[in-house]
Amino acid sequence: AQSVAQPEDQVNVAEGNPLTVKCTYSVSGNPYLFWYVQYPNRGLQFLLKYITGDNLVKGSYGFEAEFNKSQTSFHLKKPSALVSDSALYFCAALSSNTGKLIFGQGTTLQVKP
Amino acid sequence: NAGVTQTPKFQVLKTGQSMTLQCAQDMNHEYMSWYRQDPGMGLRLIHYSVGAGITDQGEVPNGYNVSRSTTEDFPLRLLSAAPSQTSVYFCASSAGGAQGYTFGSGTRLTVV
Repeated sequence: AQSVAQPEDQVNVAEGNPLTVKCTYSVSGNPYLFWYVQYPNRGLQFLLKYITGDNLVKGSYGFEAEFNKSQTSFHLKKPSALVSDSALYFCAALSSNTGKLIFGQGTTLQVKP
Repeated sequence: NAGVTQTPKFQVLKTGQSMTLQCAQDMNHEYMSWYRQDPGMGLRLIHYSVGAGITDQGEVPNGYNVSRSTTEDFPLRLLSAAPSQTSVYFCASSAGGAQGYTFGSGTRLTVV
């Protein structure tokens, strides 16, 4: 079965420190990979995606993500966290064969002042 | 350009009632999907469609029906609501390929 895993339910960082939110995937072929963010009582907002090419992709609000094919990982990073980054983050993989977008279980990011 | 529109935003049903969650998009996207979001479980795919007249099951299809008679609309039907269907439901659409999905604002459903 195809799946996306986010091993941490919650990540806590201090404002100004770097942050990493982890994601691994098990999807056949060469999936497209995405990160979305969800603020309380809101829908999902697109952050960034990996399609092909450079393993480091840059997205909205200063976020970036590192793709590692051998480890089937797509970790979300930011060099300096802000309190306003506190939200629920979802990693997702899009199967190029089926068009299905599969999500991880989500990671709550808490940035403390 | 409204994007993906879901109605209603909130709904309370009694066990056994039926209802339809509406989803419409104005971006001429071929791909549309329905997800449910439950705490600690992320978003789980209920049904999806790759074009008008074509639908398929996702991870958790039981208790839900869909149809896709037009490109714009993808309604989700609950035939006989159960408390286990209490959740937040999201509809999403995509042009396909690497475009990714655009999400609606969600419907919060409570079944009592």
